[in-house]
Amino acid sequence: AQSVTQLGSHVSVSEGALVLLRCNYSSSVPPYLFWYVQYPNQGLQLLLKYTSAATLVKGINGFEAEFKKSETSFHLTKPSAHMSDAAEYFCAVSVSAGGTSYGKLTFGQGTILTVHP
Amino acid sequence: GAVVSQHPSRVICKSGTSVKIECRSLDFQATTMFWYRQFPKQSLMLMATSNEGSKATYEQGVEKDKFLINHASLTLSTLTVTSAHPEDSSFYICSAREQGFNEKLFFGSGTQLSVL
Repeated sequence: AQSVTQLGSHVSVSEGALVLLRCNYSSSVPPYLFWYVQYPNQGLQLLLKYTSAATLVKGINGFEAEFKKSETSFHLTKPSAHMSDAAEYFCAVSVSAGGTSYGKLTFGQGTILTVHP
Repeated sequence: GAVVSQHPSRVICKSGTSVKIECRSLDFQATTMFWYRQFPKQSLMLMATSNEGSKATYEQGVEKDKFLINHASLTLSTLTVTSAHPEDSSFYICSAREQGFNEKLFFGSGTQLSVL
């Protein structure tokens, strides 16, 4: 069984400030971890994913996340927030490849990021 | 890049009618597609796994007779909400896994269903 917990349903930052969105996971097998962004009235867009390679994963739009097994965390960061980063962000976990269940994602509750000028 | 097309993007229907939502992989073959549902201010919840040429696998609590899934080809899966009720109003989104590439997973843009 897998689960994802995103700490903080709303995060507000100033433009240019550090963005930190927290995600903790639980998985009985080595996980694949994802961060998705959802803009209003749109579907999900993949920001980045961890697939058991490098623990520090760089994604699109300047985002990155670090897989920390000891902390069961996969927090998303961006050094400098931009107004266009305002959206809802979802952390998700899937079982690792090798099984037909890959792609069967368990999502966190989502974090709405607000960026103030 | 790979694209998943989901249609319609928005549908309004009367209670008791059926609604079909299509999910197409445009430039790749998808042996497996997934259907999710998202209620307002909640996360996406997996409803079912759709496998080409076989029966879908439904998550616990999802009525298979109400949410009919057909994955008749490697590029198309459909979700039919039968006898829709207002409580079925939700955002439905599909994802497709590219055949042979376990790490290739793409999402459609979703369908907002409103049942009056």
